[in-house]
Amino acid sequence: EPEVTQTPSHQVTQMGQEVILRCVPISNHLYFYWYRQILGQKVEFLVSFYNNEISEKSEIFDDQFSVERPDGSNFTLKIRSTKLEDSAMYFCASSEKRGRGYTFGSGTRLTVV
Amino acid sequence: QQPVQSPQAVILREGEDAVINCSSSKALYSVHWYRQKHGEAPIFLMILLKGGEQKGHDKISASFNEKKQQSSLYLTASQLSYSGTYFCGTEIGSSNTGKLIFGQGTTLQVKP
Repeated sequence: EPEVTQTPSHQVTQMGQEVILRCVPISNHLYFYWYRQILGQKVEFLVSFYNNEISEKSEIFDDQFSVERPDGSNFTLKIRSTKLEDSAMYFCASSEKRGRGYTFGSGTRLTVV
Repeated sequence: QQPVQSPQAVILREGEDAVINCSSSKALYSVHWYRQKHGEAPIFLMILLKGGEQKGHDKISASFNEKKQQSSLYLTASQLSYSGTYFCGTEIGSSNTGKLIFGQGTTLQVKP
């Protein structure tokens, strides 16, 4: 069964550093998303991406985050100037089209120290 | 804007039934249901589109009441493998991005 692949599985970074999280969505999917989940809490929307551009972003997105699809397969999330409260599990998800379920990647656990 | 799930937690014995509810204040295009086990990614269970349909998946089914903007997930004859946290994800009708807003989750524990 097709998978969404995320790397790395775990990243430890110092406060103030920049990190890049990588995702390879399912090849025939057209909608891509980043969500994050602080331990034991809800799954929080960050950004949606369609047709090579951001289609919607959350209120917190502009301050620190950016996304790119540099080569038609990878989908990256860059977090600038990380803070302790950015420690969370970051999930990439993709969907074939609207009205279809998401396939989530296995996530990147980001720990900011 | 976040949908409200109830109950927050459920403890069952194998073979018992459970219902998890999801309620939104917004007009919805669709409701998704996902199950997440500890330390893993959410897994898609089913989607319900506006129109009040009910879907089934083995012994797990769901309904969507479009008038009330409410969805319910039904787990019948629960198995140990049903344990996990269940999230509903709602897609607002006015959006065309496919973005989901997730509820806070319902933790289900099935005991032998």
